[in-house]
Formats: sequence, structure tokens, C-alpha cells
Amino acid sequence: DVKVTQSSRYLVKRTGEKVFLECVQDMDHENMFWYRQDPGLGLRLIYFSYDVKMKEKGDIPEGYSVSREKKERFSLILESASTNQTSMYLCASSLPRQVETQYFGPGTRLLVL
Amino acid sequence: QKEVEQDPGPLSVPEGAIVSLNCTYSNSAFQYFMWYRQYSRKGPELLMYTYSSGNKEDGRFTAQVDKSSKYISLFIRDSQPSDSATYLCAMSPYNQGGKLIFGQGTELSVKP
Repeated sequence: DVKVTQSSRYLVKRTGEKVFLECVQDMDHENMFWYRQDPGLGLRLIYFSYDVKMKEKGDIPEGYSVSREKKERFSLILESASTNQTSMYLCASSLPRQVETQYFGPGTRLLVL
Repeated sequence: QKEVEQDPGPLSVPEGAIVSLNCTYSNSAFQYFMWYRQYSRKGPELLMYTYSSGNKEDGRFTAQVDKSSKYISLFIRDSQPSDSATYLCAMSPYNQGGKLIFGQGTELSVKP
């Protein structure tokens, strides 16, 4: 059974804090993605990675960075959290050249106060 | 204008009804079309996948793609309360296991 796990289901942080969101997949997928989901806006791509130590900006990378030191792990970092980063964060992974294999984790609900 | 438009609903139907969910898009390069289902407080899960135009059926679910009209649909027959969820359409112009463009999602409620 394919699995994408995220380190936390719910997080509450203060403005200005550095926040780490972790994602791990056990399917040996090359590609990994971070999205945020907001009401009325759907899923928007923040960053993605096609390989270890490789990263590419998505549609809304401002205020975020990522790290991929191992194939199975993709971390999203909020360098200095702000209230407009309150959102649902979803991690996904997929095989290359197979869009239909994009599997999602359960999501992390982040509240920045 | 967004690349993919989807009516957010909410849509409420009685059990047993036929449900039609739709998305329109503007990028004629899109070739891969997906429907995801997302239950409350869960991540999206792939429901249907279609390449290019045509229909695809899986049990009570039918996905249709009309590239000439830039319009895709998901039909749910004999809808059940367990179908209550948010349905997201997603598309991609090329198959690299890469970026997907999502619609806003339609919230569906099936009443017993």
C-alpha cells in the first residue's frame, strides 16, 4: 500500500518562527511536491523536486524554501512564518513520466498566530 | 483568468441522484486529466485518470474529456452519502509525473 506521511497533522506557530514541515514517502518515487490548499483557491504548487538535492520553484515559492537530502524525504521550510501562511499544506510524490501516480499525504494544518 | 475553472459549489443532492461535476480550462496543451476526491481533513486521492479526449468508466464513475470545448466532466451514478467529499479536477500538458494544475474543487454533499 502506497504511503506518503507528513510529520504533523496540526501545528500552531507564532509569527516570525522558523517552521519545518516534513514529508516521507515509501514508494521510491523520484518526484516530490509541496502544495498549499486554501478555500476558493484550490491547490497551489509551492516547490517540487525531481531528484535528490534538486528543487524547482512552483507557482508561489515566496516565503518558503525546501530541502531534499534523501530520496524519500522532502522538507518544506518557512523561514519566518507569517499569518498569511496559515493554510493546509499537502505533500505528494510520483513516478517520473506518470502523472497518474501522484499520491498525497494527509496534510498539515498550520495556524500562524 | 485561471487556467482551470471549477464551480466550488457547495452542491447538495439526494441519495441516488446522478451528479455532474465540471471543469473548464484555457490551455489547449493539456493532455492528461484527473479527478481527485478529498474527504474532510484528508489528502486528495486519485479517482479517475484520462489521457486526451474520450470517456472512461469505473463502476459508478464516468469521466469525460472534450478537448474541442476545453471541458471535462465527472459523472457519479446512484450517488451515495459516502460520496460526500470535495472533488478536484487536475490537468497537465505533459507526462513527466510533473506539475499538475488544479481546479478550486467542488464540495459535494449527498443526503440520505
